[in-house]
Amino acid sequence: DGGITQSPKYLFRKEGQNVTLSCEQNLNHDAMYWYRQDPGQGLRLIYYSQIVNDFQKGDIAEGYSVSREKKESFPLTVTSAQKNPTAFYLCASSIGQTDTQYFGPGTRLTVL
Amino acid sequence: QQQVKQSPQSLIVQKGGISIINCAYENTAFDYFPWYQQFPGKGPALLIAIRPDVSEKKEGRFTISFNKSAKQFSLHIMDSQPGDSATYFCAATIINTPLVFGKGTRLSVIA
Repeated sequence: DGGITQSPKYLFRKEGQNVTLSCEQNLNHDAMYWYRQDPGQGLRLIYYSQIVNDFQKGDIAEGYSVSREKKESFPLTVTSAQKNPTAFYLCASSIGQTDTQYFGPGTRLTVL
Repeated sequence: QQQVKQSPQSLIVQKGGISIINCAYENTAFDYFPWYQQFPGKGPALLIAIRPDVSEKKEGRFTISFNKSAKQFSLHIMDSQPGDSATYFCAATIINTPLVFGKGTRLSVIA
C-alpha cells in the first residue's frame, strides 16, 4: 500500500526533552512538509523540503529542526527551545510543491 | 498578501441542507485552490480543487465556486449528511511555493 506513515500516533515527553517525530512515504514524492495544528489555528507550516538534502523554514520554524537524508524520510525534531510544543503534528508529501498534498495520520505530542 | 481568510469558523446545518464555506485571498498570483476535509484525529484529505481558469467545479455533492474578480472562492455541500461532519480547510498556492491554508471551518450536520 502506498502512503504516508507517521509514528508514533501519541507521544508524551517531559518538558525540556528533545523529541523526534517520524514521517515516511513510499509515494516517490519529491516534496515533503511538516505542519502543526492547534485548535482554531488551522495548519501552520513548520518546515518543507523540495528535494533530498535541502529544506526551508516555514512560518513557525523556531524550536524545530528537520533533516532530509533520504527521499522517503523527513523526521522532525521538537527541541527544548520550542516554548509550547503540545500540538497535533502532520506530515505531508506531494510530487511537486503545487501538486496535491497527501497527509499522514498525524502524531499528537503532549509535553508534561 | 499570503493569507487566506476562511469563514465561518463553525457551521451547523440540518441534514439535507446546503453547507456553504467561504474563503478570500489577496494575492492575485495564486493559481491553485484546493479544499481539504479532516475528520477528528485524522490527517486532512483532498476533497476538490480548482484553478482560476474556470468559475465552477462540481464533484458529486461538492461544488467549488470561484470568483476571480472578487478574489473569493467557496465550497458548497449539497444535501449535507451527518457523515459530512468534519473540519474543512481551503488553501491556495502559487507555483513552487507551499500551500497557504485557511484556519478551517468545523461543520456539524444534524439530523
